[in-house]
Order: sequence, then structure tokens, then C-alpha cells
Amino acid sequence: AQKVTQAQTEISVVEKEDVTLDCVYETRDTTYYLFWYKQPPSGELVFLIRRNSFDEQNEISGRYSWNFQKSTSSFNFTITASQVVDSAVYFCALSEAGYSTLTFGKGTMLLVSP
Amino acid sequence: GAVVSQHPSWVICKSGTSVKIECRSLDFQATTMFWYRQFPKQSLMLMATSNEGSKATYEQGVEKDKFLINHASLTLSTLTVTSAHPEDSSFYICSARERGQGANYNTEAFFGQGTRLTVV
Repeated sequence: AQKVTQAQTEISVVEKEDVTLDCVYETRDTTYYLFWYKQPPSGELVFLIRRNSFDEQNEISGRYSWNFQKSTSSFNFTITASQVVDSAVYFCALSEAGYSTLTFGKGTMLLVSP
Repeated sequence: GAVVSQHPSWVICKSGTSVKIECRSLDFQATTMFWYRQFPKQSLMLMATSNEGSKATYEQGVEKDKFLINHASLTLSTLTVTSAHPEDSSFYICSARERGQGANYNTEAFFGQGTRLTVV
């Protein structure tokens, strides 16, 4: 069975601070996909990144960066120089090869204050 | 990315009535659609998976007679909450997967905007 753990329920930072959202996953498959989604108060899910299990390269996209480490089964997400607009709930998710159903973590609510 | 449209965005209904939520893939053919439910301040939980032209597969604990799912075409799936009760109030969100090409089974699934259902 697969499982995604986001241990941080809520994080509060002040604008311009860097913040890292943790994600730890469990799966028996050797081929799997990891995702991060942003859910603003309006509710829609905004896709941020998808990473397959064979690609451990870290990725940077603007102020966002992701650190994938198979050795620790972690896929952490860092926002650099946070902004108020980054305030949202962030979900880490996992899908196993051959499926598109996602197992979501419980989410981390990020509050960025001015 | 591909666009999935969900309608309505929000709905308020009386207890005992039925509510239908539509999920449409606008610019691709979705062989598979997924329905999730999210209670306030909680995560998204998969309710069911529907494949075009066949019966939906429900997750354990989801009442198939209460949550009717129809996937009659490659671009439309509907979720009907029958005899709704206040405890059914939740955020329902669908996602759709494009028909895969070749051996690429794990094509990305795209999410609709979600429907906030309130049963009074």
C-alpha cells in the first residue's frame, strides 16, 4: 500500500523568508510518480510538479525548488523568498506505475504574512 | 496542459434531494475519470474511478447507490449525490486522464475546479 506523509500541518512565515515543506512517501513499486499541488482558498488544485522515480535530479522553477531523495523516500518542496500569494494548502501526492489515481498527503497549510 | 471543466462550482441543496455534478474534458478524450472528495481542512480522498462505457469502481466505504457515477462519453462524467444529507456536504473534485498512447499508461491526470456542495 502506498502512503504519503506531510508531517507539517501548518507553517507560518513572514514574507521573503524561505520555507521548506516536507513530504515522505511509502510505496512497494520501483516505478512511481510524485506530485506537488497547490490549493488556494478558491479550492482548485494547481499542478506544480511531477517527478518520476527514476529521475532524482533536483528541479528549480523560479522561486520553487524540489529535492527528491529516494534514499530517504522524501520529496521536499522549498519556496524561496516567500510571498503572500504563496499562502495556500500544499499537497504532496504519489501514484504508482500504470495508474493515475493519486494518494494525497494530508496537506500543509502555508501562511505567508506581510 | 489539458483543461477539465467541472460544473457547478458550488451548489446548495435541501436535504433529501439529488444533485448532479458534471466533469468535462474540454480538449482531450478522457478514457478514465476520477472523483475525489475533500472535507474541510482534510485531504482529498478518492471515491471512485470511472472508465468510459463501463461501471465505475468505487473505493471501500463509498456507497455506490448514493454516489452514482456515469461516464457515458469520452468527454463527460457525472456524479449524482442521491438523497443528499448534511453529512454529504463537501468539496468534490474530478480529474481526467487522457487516452494513453502506446505503452504510456500513466499519463498525467488533470483536475477540474471542484464543486462545493452544501446540503441544508
